[in-house]
Amino acid sequence: SQTIHQWPATLVQPVGSPLSLECTVEGTSNPNLYWYRQAAGRGLQLLFYSVGIGQISSEVPQNLSASRPQDRQFILSSKKLLLSDSGFYLCAWSVRRGWDYGYTFGSGTRLTVV
Amino acid sequence: SQQGEEDPQALSIQEGENATMNCSYKTSINNLQWYRQNSGRGLVHLILIRSNEREKHSGRLRVTLDTSKKSSSLLITASRAADTASYFCATAPLGAGKSTFGDGTTLTVKP
Repeated sequence: SQTIHQWPATLVQPVGSPLSLECTVEGTSNPNLYWYRQAAGRGLQLLFYSVGIGQISSEVPQNLSASRPQDRQFILSSKKLLLSDSGFYLCAWSVRRGWDYGYTFGSGTRLTVV
Repeated sequence: SQQGEEDPQALSIQEGENATMNCSYKTSINNLQWYRQNSGRGLVHLILIRSNEREKHSGRLRVTLDTSKKSSSLLITASRAADTASYFCATAPLGAGKSTFGDGTTLTVKP
């Protein structure tokens, strides 16, 4: 069965510090991978998605970047965090063949920038 | 901008009652999905309905899709306190490789 791992669960970082959130998927190959951010009480904002190794599409210009060094690994990074980067970050995967499939989400990372 | 918008924003009902929440969207879609999120957790996929389908059932869940009105509804029958959560619709627009989520409906089921 497929599983998705996302860590850490919570993170408190000072303004100006770097960030690295990691997401890995097991039990499937060639997944589409996504990073979303959720503000308190709101829906999900798509940040990045990837259809293959090294292929990253950015949805929102911001202080963040994403990389996909391996087929089932997706990393969200920042060189210098801003207060506005605080939020709940969710990684998700979907089947690549066609767009007729739902997403499977990780358990999320609660990031607080202080 | 948001593709899907849920209505109402919040819903409070008694255990045993039915809960209905709606989703409206703007452009033609491949499919529409409903998700559930418990507080502080990731989203869980509930149902996906394709653009050529009108109704779909899964246990106590019933989803309808009206592409002419660009709207969908999620009905939870015989609700339980454990159904308390936020519910989101997500739409996969034609030609787009990603789904867009609404702001969700927060459902509270009182025991």
